[in-house]
Amino acid sequence: LAKTTQPISMDSYEGQEVNITCSHNNIATNDYITWYQQFPSQGPRFIIQGYKTKVTNEVASLFIPADRKSSTLSLPRVSLSDTAVYYCLVGYGQNFVFGPGTRLSVLP
Amino acid sequence: KAGVTQTPRYLIKTRGQQVTLSCSPISGHRSVSWYQQTPGQGLQFLFEYFSETQRNKGNFPGRFSGRQFSNSRSEMNVSTLELGDSALYLCASSPFGAGGVYEQYFGPGTRLTVT
Repeated sequence: LAKTTQPISMDSYEGQEVNITCSHNNIATNDYITWYQQFPSQGPRFIIQGYKTKVTNEVASLFIPADRKSSTLSLPRVSLSDTAVYYCLVGYGQNFVFGPGTRLSVLP
Repeated sequence: KAGVTQTPRYLIKTRGQQVTLSCSPISGHRSVSWYQQTPGQGLQFLFEYFSETQRNKGNFPGRFSGRQFSNSRSEMNVSTLELGDSALYLCASSPFGAGGVYEQYFGPGTRLTVT
């Protein structure tokens, strides 16, 4: 049974770089890996998406090794407003599977 | 451009009843997906529609169904409600038509409470 796992929680301080890793076995060949951010009482918000190697946008980087069995979201220089839950989403054929979410707490 | 809208935002139903939730995607988006979010199970994929056809389906019982109209608006229906159906139901739309995972834009959700 396909499963996506990620750490339940992480703490960081303002200005630090944060790396959150998601493990995803049985990922399908054509599936992409997507990361979302969710604040309380809101729907998830798209952060970044990738297929392999490295992808970077204005808010984050995504690292995916060659075997694609995991991915790492990197948030540079986090601020208090980055406190949220972060989810990875991977498509498994006919079923899209979200990770359990990582609750990131950024401390001053 | 307006975002994804979901109606109603809050709903209270009784066990055994049925409920219909509505989602209007971002203009031009043809793919609509539905998710259930609960504290215990997290975010779970229900189904995805593209051009009025259900293309992908998650592991939910047949009480959960959906449809998409020609204007890409979507509805999901839950029949014979159970207490465990209490959840936040999220709709997401995407401009892409290919399979796999792609950028999705989420609505604020409908909070369903079953008593």
